[in-house]
Amino acid sequence: DAMVIQNPRYQVTQFGKPVTLSCSQTLNHNVMYWYQQKSSQAPKLLFHYYDKDFNNEADTPDNFQSRRPNTSFCFLDIRSPGLGDAAMYLCATSRERQVGAPQHFGDGTRLSIL
Amino acid sequence: QKEVEQDPGPLSVPEGAIVSLNCTYSNSAFQYFMWYRQYSRKGPELLMYTYSSGNKEDGRFTAQVDKSSKYISLFIRDSQPSDSATYLCAMIDSTGGGNKLTFGTGTQLKVEL
Repeated sequence: DAMVIQNPRYQVTQFGKPVTLSCSQTLNHNVMYWYQQKSSQAPKLLFHYYDKDFNNEADTPDNFQSRRPNTSFCFLDIRSPGLGDAAMYLCATSRERQVGAPQHFGDGTRLSIL
Repeated sequence: QKEVEQDPGPLSVPEGAIVSLNCTYSNSAFQYFMWYRQYSRKGPELLMYTYSSGNKEDGRFTAQVDKSSKYISLFIRDSQPSDSATYLCAMIDSTGGGNKLTFGTGTQLKVEL
């Protein structure tokens, strides 16, 4: 089945230690998104890639960066994780970037900070 | 004030009940409306997608949009224990030029035997 796959499902890191989360997709979609979902809160968009074009949300902290080496893969890098970065990180894709294009989510990576 | 307001619940109903889930919003530029279902430890799954005001039905699910009142609803008929999940409403601002989803915080639903 075509899908959005996130690895690992659970990640534990130490305060200040860089961490990378991975997302891959077999849908061949042009757009990939990263959302942050804290406990009992709404998912919040961090940034998205349209093909290789990177688009950052204005309020996304500089501590968060992303890479998309090819159509299938996208990475979320957190340079110096703080306790407030503990959350579920969700990757999503859509076929195109036009307004209203349905987004399909992976099962997320739950990040814990020690 | 949040752009999208959603009662977090939890909402507990007996099997077979009709469930009504609701969201209100403040941004009149929201034109696309979605309902996602999120099981515990899983990602959101697109359940319903609507563009205009009115009703859209898919099996046991009906999505309703009232743009004049800035109010959307999801109705679940003949609810089943397998419907137990968190339901997130989501919307897209058509004027922003992008495809950014603005979510509600989700309503936790439990359907009991």
